[in-house]
Amino acid sequence: AQSVAQPEDQVNVAEGNPLTVKCTYSVSGNPYLFWYVQYPNRGLQFLLKYITGDNLVKGSYGFEAEFNKSQTSFHLKKPSALVSDSALYFCAVRPDRGSTLGRLYFGRGTQLTVWP
Amino acid sequence: KAGVTQTPRYLIKTRGQQVTLSCSPISGHRSVSWYQQTPGQGLQFLFEYFSETQRNKGNFPGRFSGRQFSNSRSEMNVSTLELGDSALYLCASSRGIFNAGHDRSNYGYTFGSGTRLTVV
Repeated sequence: AQSVAQPEDQVNVAEGNPLTVKCTYSVSGNPYLFWYVQYPNRGLQFLLKYITGDNLVKGSYGFEAEFNKSQTSFHLKKPSALVSDSALYFCAVRPDRGSTLGRLYFGRGTQLTVWP
Repeated sequence: KAGVTQTPRYLIKTRGQQVTLSCSPISGHRSVSWYQQTPGQGLQFLFEYFSETQRNKGNFPGRFSGRQFSNSRSEMNVSTLELGDSALYLCASSRGIFNAGHDRSNYGYTFGSGTRLTVV
């Protein structure tokens, strides 16, 4: 079965400090991994994706994520957090085979709060 | 280019009524997927349409249905509304359905801002 785990409901970090939002996954075949961000009463905004290639993926707004196949993880990182980064972050996986290959499986989300 | 457009943004309905939500994908995108977001269940897949055909369906009761038109616009319908149907309904568009090959142009989804449905 496909699943995504975001072990932390909340992450708090001071502005200017590095941030990490964790994600682990379970999927049949090769994973296609995504990070999305959601602001209040808005849809999901795409941040970055891993399809294949380099394990370190760079995305929008200075975010990056590292794919680790052995640990089945895809943690989101940013070297220096901004107050405006405060939002709800979702990790998602898309299987590359099977009857469910067309859908995204989402984690429960991690609320990131960056303190000034 | 214009993004994914969902209408209406907000809806209030009474239990037992039915509702229709609309999604217009990005121009040139032929795949539309629908997701339900609630605080308790998180983001759950409803269904995916491509070329007017339902390609994939999530674990929702038959009260939830959808369709796609020849211009790729999609609607979802919920009949006999229940309080538990209150949610943010998100639509996502993609260039095409994923295939088992490595057509990477099909791997991305763009989401709309959603329709907030409240059932009272």
